Amino acid sequence: EADIYQTPRYLVIGTGKKITLECSQTMGHDKMYWYQQDPGMELHLIHYSYGVNSTEKGDLSSESTVSRIRTEHFPLTLESARPSHTSQYLCASRIGGSAEAFFGQGTRLTVV
Amino acid sequence: GDSVTQMEGPVTLSEEAFLTINCTYTATGYPSLFWYVQYPGEGLQLLLKATKADDKGSNKGFEATYRKETTSFHLEKGSVQVSDSAVYFCALSDSSASKIIFGSGTRLSIRP
Repeated sequence: EADIYQTPRYLVIGTGKKITLECSQTMGHDKMYWYQQDPGMELHLIHYSYGVNSTEKGDLSSESTVSRIRTEHFPLTLESARPSHTSQYLCASRIGGSAEAFFGQGTRLTVV
Repeated sequence: GDSVTQMEGPVTLSEEAFLTINCTYTATGYPSLFWYVQYPGEGLQLLLKATKADDKGSNKGFEATYRKETTSFHLEKGSVQVSDSAVYFCALSDSSASKIIFGSGTRLSIRP
């Protein structure tokens, strides 16, 4: 079983609120990722990190920001939530090279 | 750039039917190939993988063979069960790449 955890699992929040989605892994993986998954199932990469103090924007433009101060922790922050941010957010990590990624259980965010 | 194309769904089968979900890829290097499965309300789990041409990945009765000549990695199972109902993602990762490239997902429903 993968040791990668996301909190909260579900979140309902009002428009304009600031929120942080947490993601932690205990596997010592350097590479970490945030995906947004739309109702049509497709995964969109929104942020990734090669290691501590390294962050990059992904393929899908996002109003969120990330930080990587510690290897095991990769939180995602929305400064001002909007209904268009309603989605499932998945965090993943992997060693690197061509290794597989391990996924957390996801956070389902609803902005009302 | 690298890409993955997989069979569009949804796919609906009766229990004990034979399953094939097609996946083809485009890559400049020699990628590793993966199949992930996502059960309702969960994150993605690795189902199987293959790291070089002619390798066969297998797990839980599912199989897929890395075919370099046809750039394919089709998922098969001889006799599906209701519990196999889920969304299946084909993916690739090149050792020189920072990301994993996912297909758009195929929803599978099995009727009792």
